[in-house]
Amino acid sequence: QSVLTQPPSVSEAPKQRVTISCSGSSSNIGNNAVHWYQQLPGKAPKVLLYDDYLLPSGVSDRFSGSKSGTSASLAISGLQSEDEADYYCAAWDDSLNGWVFGGGTKLTVL
Amino acid sequence: EVHLVESGGRLVQPGGSLRLSCSASGFTFSSYAVHWVRQAPGRGLEYVSAISANGGRTYYADSVKGRFSISRDNAKNTVYLQMSSLRAEDTAVYYCVKGTSGEFYYYYMDVWGKGTTVTVSS
Repeated sequence: QSVLTQPPSVSEAPKQRVTISCSGSSSNIGNNAVHWYQQLPGKAPKVLLYDDYLLPSGVSDRFSGSKSGTSASLAISGLQSEDEADYYCAAWDDSLNGWVFGGGTKLTVL
Repeated sequence: EVHLVESGGRLVQPGGSLRLSCSASGFTFSSYAVHWVRQAPGRGLEYVSAISANGGRTYYADSVKGRFSISRDNAKNTVYLQMSSLRAEDTAVYYCVKGTSGEFYYYYMDVWGKGTTVTVSS
């Protein structure tokens, strides 16, 4: 069982908007930045968002992030078929003194 | 361009040992922490180990503590993960990941290698 909780799957039609939640606690999300990773089928993960909402160079601005209290969200607007992937949230945990990941959310573009 | 290339993964019997290597290029290797993250078949990401830029601080997940050892050679731009007393549950793709600071805590991981596959089976 993962320390950070994500829905196992979400689905939405092309061109629509979808959000993926990531729920934690005061020792991780509540006190530290959240980062999001995208893993395309058969590929290594890549950083999608860092420090809650910042976009790395080269990442589409269709991706956005937010955080409130001990929960964070990833939003993807204008869904495209190439967005089909697994998405993971991650944060440093002050109690565990280590990085924790969410269990991952599989996005299906209908 | 930043590159991380893992090697050393193979089939190994339970109780055996293995050393993974992560060779880095395209950045000032000695300035950044390096992490290992694994992914069992069909499962999510699991944080395994990390080492600070100067090698002075290390981290191990409880699941590997006492069995795995991480080290680095900044002259060779390489990080090593020595794995011993391997179990079936260690079967996974092992990814080497660059940190964004000299320390492995708080600061996110940015660039991932393609991974190397470790299979523990008799």
